[in-house]
Amino acid sequence: EVQLLESGGGLVQPGGSLRLSCAASGFTFSNYGMSWVRQAPGKGLEWVSSIRFSGDTTYYADSVNGRFTISRDNSRNTLYLQMNSLRAEDTALYFCAKAGRGDIVVVPNARAPNAWGQGTLVTVSS
Amino acid sequence: EIVLTQSPATLSVSPGERATLSCRASQSITSNLAWYQQKPGQAPRLLIFGASIGATGVPPRFSGSGSETEFTLTISSLQSEDFAVYYCQQYSNWPQTFGQGTKVEIK
Repeated sequence: EVQLLESGGGLVQPGGSLRLSCAASGFTFSNYGMSWVRQAPGKGLEWVSSIRFSGDTTYYADSVNGRFTISRDNSRNTLYLQMNSLRAEDTALYFCAKAGRGDIVVVPNARAPNAWGQGTLVTVSS
Repeated sequence: EIVLTQSPATLSVSPGERATLSCRASQSITSNLAWYQQKPGQAPRLLIFGASIGATGVPPRFSGSGSETEFTLTISSLQSEDFAVYYCQQYSNWPQTFGQGTKVEIK
């Protein structure tokens, strides 16, 4: 059974930093692309970032580009999101999500996440 | 950035009835569209990808259709567990984008 367990959320002041982690199990982590998707309180879903199975290609939403960095450690089956220069509008529940079968760079259908964690809450407030 | 517009915002349906949800893209995305279901306090669940391919374990009452810019999710006979918010997502171009959601509520 696929399991994705996010951690690292919390309360941080504007301009601060936070690193989220997602521990994966139940599948061969190094074979799959991964993504972060967030949801502000009472709002819809917003894609944040994706990373190729190998870690050598990454994609970002314009709203976080230059401030957030996605990375992975395939030896530890763990996905990360380093968040810097946080803003109030970054307040959200952050979901870790596993891509479908195939390389997300060249196989579009692989980009639709087919497994999600329960999320970790990030609150940016003074 | 490709904008997805879902309609209606809220759909009131009686159990056993058919529900039809729409998603329109601001430009062609061929068939690179997925549908998700989200219940309160839960993570999203993939229902459909490739516009019409059912994800593993999804009941056959859920079906997707469409291509280019017009897409539809149909729930053939609503069950009590289907009342939720539904999102479409395009992954044809980066950045990926989601629609704003359609809430399916009990009539």
